[in-house]
Amino acid sequence: EAEVAQSPRYKITEKSQAVAFWCDPISGHATLYWYRQILGQGPELLVQFQDESVVDDSQLPKDRFSAERLKGVDSTLKIQPAELGDSAMYLCASSLGRRQEQYFGPGTRLTVT
Amino acid sequence: AQSVAQPEDQVNVAEGNPLTVKCTYSVSGNPYLFWYVQYPNRGLQFLLKYITGDNLVKGSYGFEAEFNKSQTSFHLKKPSALVSDSALYFCAVRDDILTGGGNKLTFGTGTQLKVEL
Repeated sequence: EAEVAQSPRYKITEKSQAVAFWCDPISGHATLYWYRQILGQGPELLVQFQDESVVDDSQLPKDRFSAERLKGVDSTLKIQPAELGDSAMYLCASSLGRRQEQYFGPGTRLTVT
Repeated sequence: AQSVAQPEDQVNVAEGNPLTVKCTYSVSGNPYLFWYVQYPNRGLQFLLKYITGDNLVKGSYGFEAEFNKSQTSFHLKKPSALVSDSALYFCAVRDDILTGGGNKLTFGTGTQLKVEL
């Protein structure tokens, strides 16, 4: 069964350092999502791509976060500089299209010290 | 703005007993509702969805959910709980593309289900 791949699974970084996460969606899925899940809360959408275009980044803290999906396949989410409050699980999801159900990867757990 | 509420942080049930995990929603257009399950240090797994049609939706692993428009609820149910069902369950609502939405899922805060022997 096809799955969304994410790496790394765990990342520990110091405050003010840069960190990057990678996501490879299910093959053929045009829509890709990055969510942030703070402990004890539900996931919150950070950015949504349709192919290589951003369709929603209204909740992305653009002063420190950036996301790209250059060829419309895999995607990278970057944080620079990391802050203590960025400690969370970062989840990537993909769907065939914007109306289809989303399938989630295993996530990257980020700890900022 | 759309929202979901999961009023219970934790639900405890004995194995073999029926279980219910509650969810209520608020949307301005048609409701598109989902249930996901999350095991420790794992991503979310899709369980079931309501888009339109029958109010009783059947999903994976024997789970079902009942859509009630008048009560704006979408409770998750299972006739006989298993210890392996113990996990974190999230209800979510999706905005309506026909009214300008973009398939954004808004999640509840989650309900921890604990099934005991």
